[in-house]
Amino acid sequence: QVQLQESGPGLVKPSQTLSLTCAVSGGSISSGGYYWSWIRQPPGKGLEWIGYIYYSGSSYYNPSLKSRVTISVDTSKNQFSLKLSSVTAADTAVYYCARVPPTRWFDPWGQGTLVTVSS
Amino acid sequence: QSALTQPASVSGSPGQSITISCTGTSSDIGGYNYVSWYQQHPGKAPKLMIYEVSNRPSGVSNRFSGSKSGNTASLTISGLQAEDEADYYCSSYTSSSTLVFGGGTKLTVL
Repeated sequence: QVQLQESGPGLVKPSQTLSLTCAVSGGSISSGGYYWSWIRQPPGKGLEWIGYIYYSGSSYYNPSLKSRVTISVDTSKNQFSLKLSSVTAADTAVYYCARVPPTRWFDPWGQGTLVTVSS
Repeated sequence: QSALTQPASVSGSPGQSITISCTGTSSDIGGYNYVSWYQQHPGKAPKLMIYEVSNRPSGVSNRFSGSKSGNTASLTISGLQAEDEADYYCSSYTSSSTLVFGGGTKLTVL
């Protein structure tokens, strides 16, 4: 079955760019049929959808984050990535990646990775 | 886009049934049958419980059911068990081709 694994720095300085990668195993991103998404959850708070991308590169973002977010896909490495620029303490969160079928639900999820924004 | 509206908390005794509501607009819940529900235990990743309003993934107990009326979706858990105590989130597709979550509901099993 498909499994997802997030990776990246656990600590990012304010004003810098947060970069994370989600490695997909057990299935190919380039086979199509699914979107690939990022979601985050600040400590003690709820889930926030960040955006998703199709293998072709077509992407959609949360309007509240759109100016700072870029999601990209690397089919040769079977992975997709998140970049969030100009981070502040408010961007401290557990970041999850997930697969999204055409009728738009999230499954499976990665285990999540905590990113702390602090100097 | 605004988050979908869920009650902050609900509670019930073992064996009882509870319902969690998720209210949106005609641009999200009311416009599409693309509502899903997730269960999250502390320190764990969310788990899909319901998709496309009322469908259960393989392996999810039939004590969990979903429905929708107008701009409001609902998750019902029957025969409450201690292991059901968790946070629950709804999600919907929107007319902007984006996705949105509810604020989350903490379920306490008394």
